[in-house]
Amino acid sequence: QQPVQSPQAVILREGEDAVINCSSSKALYSVHWYRQKHGEAPVFLMILLKGGEQKGHEKISASFNEKKQQSSLYLTASQLSYSGTYFCGTPHNSGNTPLVFGKGTRLSVIA
Amino acid sequence: EAGVAQSPRYKIIEKRQSVAFWCNPISGHATLYWYQQILGQGPKLLIQFQNNGVVDDSQLPKDRFSAERLKGVDSTLKIQPAKLEDSAVYLCASSPGLSPDTQYFGPGTRLTVL
Repeated sequence: QQPVQSPQAVILREGEDAVINCSSSKALYSVHWYRQKHGEAPVFLMILLKGGEQKGHEKISASFNEKKQQSSLYLTASQLSYSGTYFCGTPHNSGNTPLVFGKGTRLSVIA
Repeated sequence: EAGVAQSPRYKIIEKRQSVAFWCNPISGHATLYWYQQILGQGPKLLIQFQNNGVVDDSQLPKDRFSAERLKGVDSTLKIQPAKLEDSAVYLCASSPGLSPDTQYFGPGTRLTVL
């Protein structure tokens, strides 16, 4: 089942913060975050494997709430280079199963 | 370290024609994935290989799509015959092991079916 991302799109000015959410109606075993710039391949950001886990990558961090079956990606003090589409992916079952990606959140950072 | 290589980068064909895409994963990566990404959507898994065996092909339209990974290294994805709705970017990715694991994506092949 495809995870649901919100918002679908967001526009920020440089230096502003944003939160992107990823939720599922099924149990989440792990959450994978990728960023895709226009016309390019998706690039890995981070994986969260355990409930309550938080990770950071530059000024981008994420949390994983296993009970609520959701993950949030936090972008602080956004830069122009953060523009792109952010996807979360979750395995559709426990164990070593393929990822199902959400529809993505398009982030545009303007000067 | 060289990344995932794909060719061609762009392909335009007419419906009912056939087309093939090639992927060379990162050296040593056991797992290879083919995804279809329609404009404005997230990548959708078509098939996953571990070495030269198929792990998951449940979303591969087997009446027209086929894929192989001979010798557990590079892979080809074929569409025969193509339909208009096959227009998409076809992404290949590889990872050292099975999910959950970081996937490294290639640049993709943009297919346009007229």
